[in-house]
Amino acid sequence: SQELEQSPQSLIVQEGKNLTINCTSSKTLYGLYWYKQKYGEGLIFLMMLQKGGEEKSHEKITAKLDEKKQQSSLHITASQPSHAGIYLCGAITGAGSYQLTFGKGTKLSVIP
Amino acid sequence: DAGITQSPRHKVTETGTPVTLRCHQTENHRYMYWYRQDPGHGLRLIHYSYGVKDTDKGEVSDGYSVSRSKTEDFLLTLESATSSQTSVYFCATRLGLAYGYTFGSGTRLTVV
Repeated sequence: SQELEQSPQSLIVQEGKNLTINCTSSKTLYGLYWYKQKYGEGLIFLMMLQKGGEEKSHEKITAKLDEKKQQSSLHITASQPSHAGIYLCGAITGAGSYQLTFGKGTKLSVIP
Repeated sequence: DAGITQSPRHKVTETGTPVTLRCHQTENHRYMYWYRQDPGHGLRLIHYSYGVKDTDKGEVSDGYSVSRSKTEDFLLTLESATSSQTSVYFCATRLGLAYGYTFGSGTRLTVV
């Protein structure tokens, strides 16, 4: 089974609406990363969370880490067309591990 | 990211030929990674390096080899390319275990 599950797989929202993307791990989280990818392009780093209960914000995007649930959520407030893309979560699931494992991504479309 | 350059950006090669992809970084990051991205599978780790001449296998290493003779360069070689290796390849670097990963723009490889 997939080590990192992202939900939903795809999302279509009206501009101005709020949305949440979830990332759940089947293993203990030692670090959780959120990236955004435009089609055919590289990954843009959004945020890194390392401690349970940690919450970080960048512009209208907020990410939280729930260590007990082994889950992270990414929340976008007042979505804009510029938020459209694929959101990927990546996780370190071994203490001192060098490896970042990714979920399959959530495709976000924002309708003007 | 301007600090990571992948070459070539696009390549079409024939089955059975050797192919080498190059990742060059100017960030002096210790850790370097090669990922492949495929529809339905997301990003999967091929090989990684935790220092010059120190490399290890990732999740999908069969058919691939790597070399890192100096800090700034990490080479990925397909000894005998197969159609199943048609993919987009991403290089990533990381300063240290407490830092985020920075990704290159990717190399689109087609094996015909």
